[in-house]
Amino acid sequence: EIVLTQSPGTLSLAPGERATLSCRASQSVTSNYLAWYQQKPGQAPRLLIYGASSRVTGIPDRFSGSGSGADFTLTITRLEPEDSAVFYCQQYGTSPGTFGQGTKVEIK
Amino acid sequence: QVQLIQSGAEVKKPGASARVSCEASGYTFTAYYMHWMRQAPGQGLEWMGWINPNTGATNFAQKFQGRVTMTTDTSINTSYLELSRLESDDTAVYYCARAIRAAYYFDSWGQGTLVAVSS
Repeated sequence: EIVLTQSPGTLSLAPGERATLSCRASQSVTSNYLAWYQQKPGQAPRLLIYGASSRVTGIPDRFSGSGSGADFTLTITRLEPEDSAVFYCQQYGTSPGTFGQGTKVEIK
Repeated sequence: QVQLIQSGAEVKKPGASARVSCEASGYTFTAYYMHWMRQAPGQGLEWMGWINPNTGATNFAQKFQGRVTMTTDTSINTSYLELSRLESDDTAVYYCARAIRAAYYFDSWGQGTLVAVSS
């Protein structure tokens, strides 16, 4: 199965700053089938991005996804306090779909 | 709107079985696969398997083979996850989530169900 490695483990930034989250796959992700989810404490994950760069309707345009092959990035511009959460990447191009271990974003 | 509503928390003893339900509304139940994931305390997400409500076909992660059952009742738009021979390591929040294909992203999730295994 494809292993996804997310970095950094934790990101501590101030409101208004930019967050850059990395997701690296152990092999190329078929058709760039890579999704990003946000999970706040006590809540279920929420889909943000699919197909590496397509934003879900209703997700603020501060969230953007990029990348291809085995390297993907989630960028959050102009961080807001409510962006504090754990972010997971998921590849769904090869069965079984797999998740990264998550990156925690803390807002100072 | 799409909703997946899961059953309430359970406390089970080691060796017992747990059954979690997931009632879907707001979409055509048989048009989407239902996947199940779990998340141990403070840990990441672990995919367990899926069921196709239209055909009843299932596919499970290898580590759960022989211990997991997934079923659906299309008359009430509900999916069920049953995990047997519970151990303390099975203590986790269990989530259902829908996907348009067997291998796809999950656009709607249930609220999660805590299954705690303790003697």
